Amino acid sequence: DAKTTQPPSMDCAEGRAANLPCNHSTISGNEYVYWYRQIHSQGPQYIIHGLKNNETNEMASLIITEDRKSSTLILPHATLRDTAVYYCIGAYSGAGSYQLTFGKGTKLSVIP
Amino acid sequence: DTAVSQTPKYLVTQMGNDKSIKCEQNLGHDTMYWYKQDSKKFLKIMFSYNNKELIINETVPNRFSPKSPDKAHLNLHINSLELGDSAVYFCASSQVRQSEQYFGPGTRLTVT
Repeated sequence: DAKTTQPPSMDCAEGRAANLPCNHSTISGNEYVYWYRQIHSQGPQYIIHGLKNNETNEMASLIITEDRKSSTLILPHATLRDTAVYYCIGAYSGAGSYQLTFGKGTKLSVIP
Repeated sequence: DTAVSQTPKYLVTQMGNDKSIKCEQNLGHDTMYWYKQDSKKFLKIMFSYNNKELIINETVPNRFSPKSPDKAHLNLHINSLELGDSAVYFCASSQVRQSEQYFGPGTRLTVT
Protein backbone atom coordinates (compact mmCIF):
# COMPACT_ATOMS: atom_id res chain seq x y z
CA ASP A 1 0.00 0.00 0.00
CA ALA A 2 1.14 3.54 -0.77
CA LYS A 3 2.52 5.55 2.11
CA THR A 4 0.39 8.63 2.70
CA THR A 5 1.16 11.87 4.52
CA GLN A 6 -1.50 14.00 6.18
CA PRO A 7 -1.38 17.02 8.51
CA PRO A 8 -1.94 15.87 12.09
CA SER A 9 -4.77 18.31 12.77
CA MET A 10 -7.01 20.94 11.23
CA ASP A 11 -9.79 23.24 12.33
CA CYS A 12 -12.83 24.23 10.31
CA ALA A 13 -15.68 26.61 11.10
CA GLU A 14 -19.12 25.05 11.15
CA GLY A 15 -20.90 25.51 7.84
CA ARG A 16 -17.72 26.12 5.90
CA ALA A 17 -16.02 23.69 3.56
CA ALA A 18 -13.38 21.47 5.10
CA ASN A 19 -10.50 20.67 2.76
CA LEU A 20 -8.31 17.81 3.95
CA PRO A 21 -5.09 17.26 2.00
CA CYS A 22 -3.18 14.03 1.49
CA ASN A 23 0.15 13.37 -0.18
CA HIS A 24 0.67 9.95 -1.74
CA SER A 25 3.63 10.41 -4.06
CA THR A 26 4.48 6.67 -4.09
CA ILE A 27 1.04 5.49 -5.08
CA SER A 28 1.12 2.90 -7.87
CA GLY A 29 -0.91 3.14 -11.04
CA ASN A 30 -3.64 0.74 -9.96
CA GLU A 31 -3.94 1.82 -6.34
CA TYR A 32 -7.02 3.74 -5.40
CA VAL A 33 -7.14 6.58 -2.89
CA TYR A 34 -9.56 5.75 -0.08
CA TRP A 35 -10.82 8.01 2.66
CA TYR A 36 -12.19 6.80 5.96
CA ARG A 37 -13.02 8.62 9.16
CA GLN A 38 -13.29 7.60 12.79
CA ILE A 39 -15.58 9.51 15.09
CA HIS A 40 -14.47 9.30 18.72
CA SER A 41 -13.58 5.61 19.11
CA GLN A 42 -16.40 4.39 16.91
CA GLY A 43 -15.57 2.00 14.09
CA PRO A 44 -14.01 3.65 11.03
CA GLN A 45 -16.49 4.75 8.40
CA TYR A 46 -15.90 4.59 4.65
CA ILE A 47 -16.30 7.97 2.96
CA ILE A 48 -15.20 7.84 -0.66
CA HIS A 49 -12.55 6.50 -3.01
CA GLY A 50 -11.16 7.28 -6.45
CA LEU A 51 -8.48 6.32 -8.94
CA LYS A 52 -7.90 9.18 -11.36
CA ASN A 53 -11.07 11.17 -11.77
CA ASN A 54 -12.65 13.40 -9.19
CA GLU A 55 -15.45 11.72 -7.29
CA THR A 56 -18.48 12.99 -5.39
CA ASN A 57 -21.04 11.24 -3.22
CA GLU A 58 -23.53 12.28 -0.58
CA MET A 59 -20.82 12.65 2.04
CA ALA A 60 -17.90 14.33 0.29
CA SER A 61 -15.94 15.14 -2.83
CA LEU A 62 -12.51 13.79 -3.70
CA ILE A 63 -10.14 15.78 -5.88
CA ILE A 64 -7.11 13.87 -7.19
CA THR A 65 -4.29 15.72 -8.91
CA GLU A 66 -3.47 14.75 -12.47
CA ASP A 67 -0.15 13.19 -11.44
CA ARG A 68 -1.97 11.31 -8.65
CA LYS A 69 0.63 12.36 -6.10
CA SER A 70 -1.88 14.12 -3.88
CA SER A 71 -5.57 14.47 -3.24
CA THR A 72 -8.02 16.57 -1.24
CA LEU A 73 -11.13 15.43 0.55
CA ILE A 74 -13.78 18.12 0.65
CA LEU A 75 -16.64 18.21 3.12
CA PRO A 76 -18.74 20.98 1.53
CA HIS A 77 -20.59 22.17 4.63
CA ALA A 78 -18.91 20.89 7.75
CA THR A 79 -21.06 20.20 10.81
CA LEU A 80 -20.08 19.47 14.39
CA ARG A 81 -20.76 15.81 13.69
CA ASP A 82 -17.94 15.82 11.15
CA THR A 83 -15.40 16.20 13.96
CA ALA A 84 -13.32 13.05 13.57
CA VAL A 85 -9.97 11.61 12.54
CA TYR A 86 -9.78 11.34 8.75
CA TYR A 87 -7.59 8.70 7.14
CA CYS A 88 -6.27 8.76 3.59
CA ILE A 89 -5.24 5.29 2.39
CA GLY A 90 -3.80 3.95 -0.82
CA ALA A 91 -5.28 0.53 -1.51
CA TYR A 92 -6.15 -1.83 -4.29
CA SER A 93 -9.70 -2.58 -5.36
CA GLY A 94 -10.71 -5.82 -6.99
CA ALA A 95 -7.93 -8.30 -7.56
CA GLY A 96 -4.94 -7.83 -5.33
CA SER A 97 -4.38 -6.88 -1.74
CA TYR A 98 -7.43 -5.60 0.07
CA GLN A 99 -5.97 -4.94 3.44
CA LEU A 100 -6.15 -1.36 4.60
CA THR A 101 -3.09 0.25 6.17
CA PHE A 102 -4.18 3.11 8.39
CA GLY A 103 -1.76 5.94 9.16
CA LYS A 104 -2.11 8.60 11.83
CA GLY A 105 -4.73 10.56 9.92
CA THR A 106 -5.86 14.16 10.34
CA LYS A 107 -7.84 15.14 13.38
CA LEU A 108 -10.50 17.55 12.10
CA SER A 109 -12.17 19.78 14.66
CA VAL A 110 -15.30 21.57 13.48
CA ILE A 111 -15.75 24.70 15.55
CA PRO A 112 -19.15 26.34 16.22
CA ASP B 1 -30.49 -3.29 11.59
CA THR B 2 -26.83 -3.17 12.52
CA ALA B 3 -24.65 -4.11 9.55
CA VAL B 4 -21.61 -5.32 11.50
CA SER B 5 -22.06 -6.21 15.14
CA GLN B 6 -19.62 -7.30 17.83
CA THR B 7 -20.08 -8.80 21.26
CA PRO B 8 -19.20 -8.00 23.90
CA LYS B 9 -18.72 -4.25 23.74
CA TYR B 10 -16.49 -4.32 26.82
CA LEU B 11 -14.39 -7.20 28.11
CA VAL B 12 -12.34 -7.08 31.29
CA THR B 13 -10.30 -10.13 32.16
CA GLN B 14 -7.16 -11.26 33.91
CA MET B 15 -3.80 -12.19 32.46
CA GLY B 16 -3.55 -15.79 31.36
CA ASN B 17 -7.24 -16.22 30.59
CA ASP B 18 -8.67 -17.29 27.24
CA LYS B 19 -11.42 -15.16 25.72
CA SER B 20 -13.41 -14.79 22.52
CA ILE B 21 -14.96 -11.84 20.71
CA LYS B 22 -17.81 -12.48 18.31
CA CYS B 23 -18.49 -10.67 15.06
CA GLU B 24 -21.47 -10.95 12.75
CA GLN B 25 -22.30 -9.14 9.52
CA ASN B 26 -25.65 -9.11 7.73
CA LEU B 27 -24.43 -7.42 4.55
CA GLY B 28 -23.91 -10.60 2.58
CA HIS B 29 -20.19 -9.85 2.33
CA ASP B 30 -17.77 -12.71 1.88
CA THR B 31 -14.64 -11.14 3.34
CA MET B 32 -14.19 -10.30 7.00
CA TYR B 33 -11.38 -8.72 8.98
CA TRP B 34 -10.08 -8.09 12.46
CA TYR B 35 -8.22 -4.90 13.37
CA LYS B 36 -6.54 -3.83 16.60
CA GLN B 37 -6.41 -0.23 17.77
CA ASP B 38 -3.92 0.35 20.56
CA SER B 39 -3.74 3.11 23.15
CA LYS B 40 -1.91 5.37 20.71
CA LYS B 41 -4.88 5.02 18.34
CA PHE B 42 -2.95 3.19 15.63
CA LEU B 43 -5.30 0.89 13.73
CA LYS B 44 -3.64 -2.27 12.41
CA ILE B 45 -4.97 -5.19 10.39
CA MET B 46 -4.70 -8.53 12.15
CA PHE B 47 -6.51 -10.97 9.86
CA SER B 48 -8.55 -11.10 6.73
CA TYR B 49 -10.67 -14.13 5.85
CA ASN B 50 -12.30 -14.89 2.53
CA ASN B 51 -13.69 -18.18 1.26
CA LYS B 52 -11.55 -20.19 3.61
CA GLU B 53 -8.46 -18.16 2.71
CA LEU B 54 -6.91 -16.69 5.80
CA ILE B 55 -4.35 -13.92 5.54
CA ILE B 56 -2.49 -13.24 8.74
CA ASN B 57 -0.49 -10.14 9.58
CA GLU B 58 2.92 -11.57 10.43
CA THR B 59 3.15 -9.42 13.57
CA VAL B 60 0.13 -11.08 15.19
CA PRO B 61 1.06 -13.59 17.92
CA ASN B 62 -0.22 -17.12 17.39
CA ARG B 63 -2.21 -16.75 20.62
CA PHE B 64 -4.75 -15.00 18.40
CA SER B 65 -6.85 -17.13 16.09
CA PRO B 66 -9.89 -16.30 13.97
CA LYS B 67 -12.69 -18.82 13.62
CA SER B 68 -15.39 -18.60 10.95
CA PRO B 69 -18.37 -20.92 11.49
CA ASP B 70 -20.04 -19.47 8.39
CA LYS B 71 -19.73 -16.60 5.95
CA ALA B 72 -21.54 -14.16 8.24
CA HIS B 73 -19.35 -14.70 11.30
CA LEU B 74 -15.68 -14.28 12.14
CA ASN B 75 -14.89 -14.74 15.80
CA LEU B 76 -11.59 -13.86 17.43
CA HIS B 77 -10.11 -16.24 20.01
CA ILE B 78 -7.30 -15.11 22.23
CA ASN B 79 -5.35 -17.52 24.43
CA SER B 80 -3.18 -16.70 27.43
CA LEU B 81 -4.07 -13.03 27.49
CA GLU B 82 -1.29 -10.54 28.22
CA LEU B 83 -1.37 -6.95 29.43
CA GLY B 84 -0.28 -5.78 25.97
CA ASP B 85 -3.41 -7.25 24.43
CA SER B 86 -5.44 -4.45 25.98
CA ALA B 87 -6.88 -2.50 23.06
CA VAL B 88 -10.01 -1.91 21.04
CA TYR B 89 -10.67 -4.66 18.50
CA PHE B 90 -12.71 -3.90 15.40
CA CYS B 91 -14.32 -6.35 13.07
CA ALA B 92 -15.04 -5.34 9.46
CA SER B 93 -16.46 -6.84 6.29
CA SER B 94 -16.42 -6.15 2.59
CA GLN B 95 -17.38 -7.64 -0.73
CA VAL B 96 -14.78 -9.94 -2.15
CA ARG B 97 -11.39 -8.28 -2.17
CA GLN B 98 -12.76 -4.75 -1.97
CA SER B 99 -11.25 -2.01 0.10
CA GLU B 100 -14.63 -0.44 0.90
CA GLN B 101 -15.01 -1.98 4.32
CA TYR B 102 -17.74 -1.69 6.90
CA PHE B 103 -16.64 -1.69 10.52
CA GLY B 104 -18.31 -2.84 13.69
CA PRO B 105 -18.55 -0.69 16.83
CA GLY B 106 -15.51 -2.24 18.46
CA THR B 107 -14.79 -4.31 21.58
CA ARG B 108 -12.70 -2.69 24.28
CA LEU B 109 -10.56 -5.40 25.88
CA THR B 110 -8.85 -4.66 29.17
CA VAL B 111 -6.42 -7.19 30.59
CA THR B 112 -5.55 -6.75 34.28
